[in-house]
Amino acid sequence: SQTIHQWPATLVQPVGSPLSLECTVEGTSNPNLYWYRQAAGRGLQLLFYSVGIGQISSEVPQNLSASRPQDRQFILSSKKLLLSDSGFYLCAWSVGSWGANVLTFGAGSRLTVL
Amino acid sequence: AQSVAQPEDQVNVAEGNPLTVKCTYSVSGNPYLFWYVQYPNRGLQFLLKYITGDNLVKGSYGFEAEFNKSQTSFHLKKPSALVSDSALYFCAYPKAAGNKLTFGGGTRVLVKP
Repeated sequence: SQTIHQWPATLVQPVGSPLSLECTVEGTSNPNLYWYRQAAGRGLQLLFYSVGIGQISSEVPQNLSASRPQDRQFILSSKKLLLSDSGFYLCAWSVGSWGANVLTFGAGSRLTVL
Repeated sequence: AQSVAQPEDQVNVAEGNPLTVKCTYSVSGNPYLFWYVQYPNRGLQFLLKYITGDNLVKGSYGFEAEFNKSQTSFHLKKPSALVSDSALYFCAYPKAAGNKLTFGGGTRVLVKP
C-alpha cells in the first residue's frame, strides 16, 4: 500500500534561518507531488506542484522553493525564513494528472518562525 | 473566476441530529468536486467526490453529498452526527490541468454531546 511521510512534524525557527521540510512517498511510482500551506488553521494554498524529477511548478510568488531530487521525494526549502512563513505545511501525492484523481495528504509539518 | 465557496465558518449540531455542510461552486463545464476532512493537527482525508452520473454520492464514515447543477451546490450531509465528526471540512475542485486541487475556506463542525 502507498504511504506518505513528512518530517519534521514540528519546527521552531528564528527569522532569517534556513528551512528544509521533506516529504517521501512509498508504494507508488512517478506520483504527482504537491506542497500546500495552511495558515491560521483554515485555508489551504497550493505552493508547488511536480509531475516528475526536477519538474517544479510554482503556484504563488514567495520566499520558498521546492525540489524533487528523486521520484518519490519532495523538499520544501527557504534560505531565509520570514515571520509570514509560519504555518502548517502539507505534502500530498496523486496518481497522474486527471482532475478526478484523489490527493492523499501527509500528516503535515507545523512551522513557527519567531 | 472559477471557485468553490463555503458560506459558513462554523456549524454547530447536537449529536444524533442531521449534519449539513454547504458548498457552492462556480466552475465551468462539468465540474469534478471533492470533500475532504481535517482532524486537529492532521493532514486532510478524502471523503467523497463527484465526477459524473448519479447526483447523490456516498463516501466514507457515513457521509454523502448531493450535486445540484441548478443551484450550483455540492452540500455534504450526514443523517446522524457523531461527536467524532467534529473537524474542519473542505470542499474542493481541480483547477485547470494537472489535478491541482483548489479548496474552499473550510467549515468547522462542532458536534456537541
